[in-house]
Parts: sequence; structure tokens; C-alpha cells
Amino acid sequence: GEDVEQSLFLSVREGDSSVINCTYTDSSSTYLYWYKQEPGAGLQLLTYIFSNMDMKQDQRLTVLLNKKDKHLSLRIADTQTGDSAIYFCAEIYGGSQGNLIFGKGTKLSVKP
Amino acid sequence: GAVVSQHPSWVICKSGTSVKIECRSLDFQATTMFWYRQFPKQSLMLMATSNEGSKATYEQGVEKDKFLINHASLTLSTLTVTSAHPEDSSFYICSAEGDGEAFFGQGTRLTVV
Repeated sequence: GEDVEQSLFLSVREGDSSVINCTYTDSSSTYLYWYKQEPGAGLQLLTYIFSNMDMKQDQRLTVLLNKKDKHLSLRIADTQTGDSAIYFCAEIYGGSQGNLIFGKGTKLSVKP
Repeated sequence: GAVVSQHPSWVICKSGTSVKIECRSLDFQATTMFWYRQFPKQSLMLMATSNEGSKATYEQGVEKDKFLINHASLTLSTLTVTSAHPEDSSFYICSAEGDGEAFFGQGTRLTVV
């Protein structure tokens, strides 16, 4: 079946850049998403990229998409302690159904 | 790793009937569960947050009398779509949080005819 994979943990120092990686399997995915979840809170949509784009930048966030390798990454520049959270990668798959498939999430820890 | 089981994975029901969706955390205690709705090819919409033993907190615009959420134990939350209408047809997904981690159910595709 369809699968989205991400590494489970990432630890960085405040001020450094964070790069969270994700691989997916459905080559027909139209949109790919990055969500952030802070403890006790629901998912927050951070950004998304359409499948015909290679890169999208939104303030401190840069999304890179390599369609050939089915690889998606999220770069957070100047990482702050407030960025500590779980980051989920998700793809839309399934033709007209368009169900979301989530990765297991990457827990980002930012050390002062 | 931790598993969240959501059941059923798909359901078709007649307009006017009620449908119950279950979300179970299989090997951990979920202090908080979230219910989301996803319209075709769109992102998720958070419907409600539920903590075990207390009333769910609904997001603005979500009718609490229509989408009944019960979180009776640390491993089970249910979402009941009451008096379902075709516009309730959607993909519903739950998420369970425990020990600082969050896990998703497989989702339920609801079709109301």
C-alpha cells in the first residue's frame, strides 16, 4: 500500500537550520503537506507544495520536492525553541478520493 | 511502534441514519484524541479535541450535536455522525496523543446516500 516515511527524531541547536526529510510512494500525489503538532494541540498546517513545483519558500520555511526520488524535505532556518514539535509529512493519494496519508512524524527538539 | 486503530475504514449509510466511528490506541494510553475531517483533495480540518473523561472541545463551525464525541477511556474515543446527510460524506481521521507523541488512525471514508 501507499506509505510515507520520515525519520523519528531530530535534535538541533537554537539558531541552526533544521532539515526534516520524508519519502513517499504514490507518484500520482498532487499535493504534499507539512504539518506541525505541538503537545496537546491539533495539527497545524505549515505549508504545502504542489507536485509540479520543485521548491517553495515561505519565510523561514523552505520545502524541496524531488519527484523523481519521491523525496520531500522541510528546512527551517534559524530554528527557535518554539519550533520544538512533531512535524508530519503527508501526501494526497487515491485519485478522486484524495485521502491523506501521514508519515509517523519527526520529533524536533531545539536545544538553547 | 504505537498503533491507532480506526474502525470502520469505510462505511456507506442512508441519509438520516447515524454512524459511529471508533478510534482505539492499541498499546498506549492516549490522554488526548483529535478528530479531523478531510474533504476530497484538501487538507485536514480539525473538528474537535477530546480529553479522556471530559467533554470534547469543538472547533468553530463544527456542530457538537451533530458530531458527538465520546472519550470514555484512555484507549477509546468515538465519533458519531448523527442524522447523516450527503454533505457529511467525507474522510474522517483520528489522532491519539500520549507521552508527547501522536499517531494517526487509518481514516474512515463515510459516504451518505
